[in-house]
Amino acid sequence: QVQLQESGPGLVKPSQTLSLTCTVSGGSISSGSHYWSWVRQPAGKGLEWIGHIYTSGLTNYNPSLKSRVTISVDTSKNQFSLNVTSVTAADTAVYYCARDSRSLDYADSSGYYYYYYMDVWGKGTTVTVSS
Amino acid sequence: SSELTQDPAVSVALGQTVRITCQGDSLRSYYASWYQQKPGQAPVLVIYGKSQRPSGIPDRFSGSSSGNTASLTITGAQAEDEADYYCNCRDRGVDQVFGGGTKLTVL
Repeated sequence: QVQLQESGPGLVKPSQTLSLTCTVSGGSISSGSHYWSWVRQPAGKGLEWIGHIYTSGLTNYNPSLKSRVTISVDTSKNQFSLNVTSVTAADTAVYYCARDSRSLDYADSSGYYYYYYMDVWGKGTTVTVSS
Repeated sequence: SSELTQDPAVSVALGQTVRITCQGDSLRSYYASWYQQKPGQAPVLVIYGKSQRPSGIPDRFSGSSSGNTASLTITGAQAEDEADYYCNCRDRGVDQVFGGGTKLTVL
């Protein structure tokens, strides 16, 4: 079955760029109609969706982070990556990668209607922003 | 972007039924998905779509939706169900949004 593994530096200095990679194993990142997401969670707080990417390169980002975030994909390596620029202590969190799936609910004359869910998650990696 | 609102904490007696709710305008257009998170662990999908459970999730977990409110129901809560629960749904068709989470205590 598909598994995800985050990797990258655990410590980043303020104002620098946080870079993480998620490696997909047990299946091809290009198979199926999946987006690939990044989610983060500051200590003691809730989950925050950062953004996602389709294997075509199409991306969508959380509006609150959009100006600092870039997500990219390398299908040859079965990986997708996250860059967050100009980090501050507020970016300190556990970062998760997740598979963003959809299933057809129904179709009518107006089109196709899906439901969406994140069905595979990595174990998470802790990133601390500190000098 | 839209918001999803959850009660911060809910408690249930062992073996009883508990409902965890999630409110938001996006839920009028999209189904919620629900995630269980235990301390130090990654979230786990427990409910998606109308009330579908991934393989391995006990059938005591179910979901429902009405108007702008989605609900996760645990019928016969077990000690191992004590966890944080998060709802999630699409926002504006392309983005995702999470609720603030509900801490479930099993007494």
